[in-house]
Amino acid sequence: DVKVTQSSRYLVKRTGEKVFLECVQDMDHENMFWYRQDPGLGLRLIYFSYDVKMKEKGDIPEGYSVSREKKERFSLILESASTNQTSMYLCASSLGAGTGGGDEQFFGPGTRLTVL
Amino acid sequence: AQTVTQSQPEMSVQEAETVTLSCTYDTSESDYYLFWYKQPPSRQMILVIRQEAYKQQNATENRFSVNFQKAAKSFSLKISDSQLGDAAMYFCAYRSGGAQKLVFGQGTRLTINP
Repeated sequence: DVKVTQSSRYLVKRTGEKVFLECVQDMDHENMFWYRQDPGLGLRLIYFSYDVKMKEKGDIPEGYSVSREKKERFSLILESASTNQTSMYLCASSLGAGTGGGDEQFFGPGTRLTVL
Repeated sequence: AQTVTQSQPEMSVQEAETVTLSCTYDTSESDYYLFWYKQPPSRQMILVIRQEAYKQQNATENRFSVNFQKAAKSFSLKISDSQLGDAAMYFCAYRSGGAQKLVFGQGTRLTINP
């Protein structure tokens, strides 16, 4: 069974803290994505990675960085958390290039981050 | 840049009835794909249905079907014989033919009334 897991379901951090959100997939997928989900805004792409150590900025990368040292793991880093980064964070993966059209993304359960 | 718009923040339907969720998109590309994803309460987002832009035939998956109007840039989702398990947030999404990333709409929260 396809599986994407995220390290925490709920996380509470203080302003200024460095925050790590971890995502692991067991499907040998090439692509991995980090989204932020806010009411009324849908999902917005923060960063994605199409290979180990490769990354591209999404639509809202400011205040975030990512790391992909191994194919199965994609980390989202908030260098100095701020209250406006309080949100639901979703990780996803997909098989990758060469799979043809309609490349399905598989999502993790999400991490609800609160920054106080 | 491509945009996806879901103009219905919330919808409700009686169990066993049919409901249609709306989605419009804006693009100048000819090669693209459209998706509907479902996010049940406290559960993971899953793919409901996909449509390739080059296909004229509307996609169907059991009780779920789409009405793809390419000229109007409209991609609505019809759910027939609604069931309590259909209650969820539904997101419309767009993918350019040469890209891997998705552009999502704002979402529609669907409530099923027993």
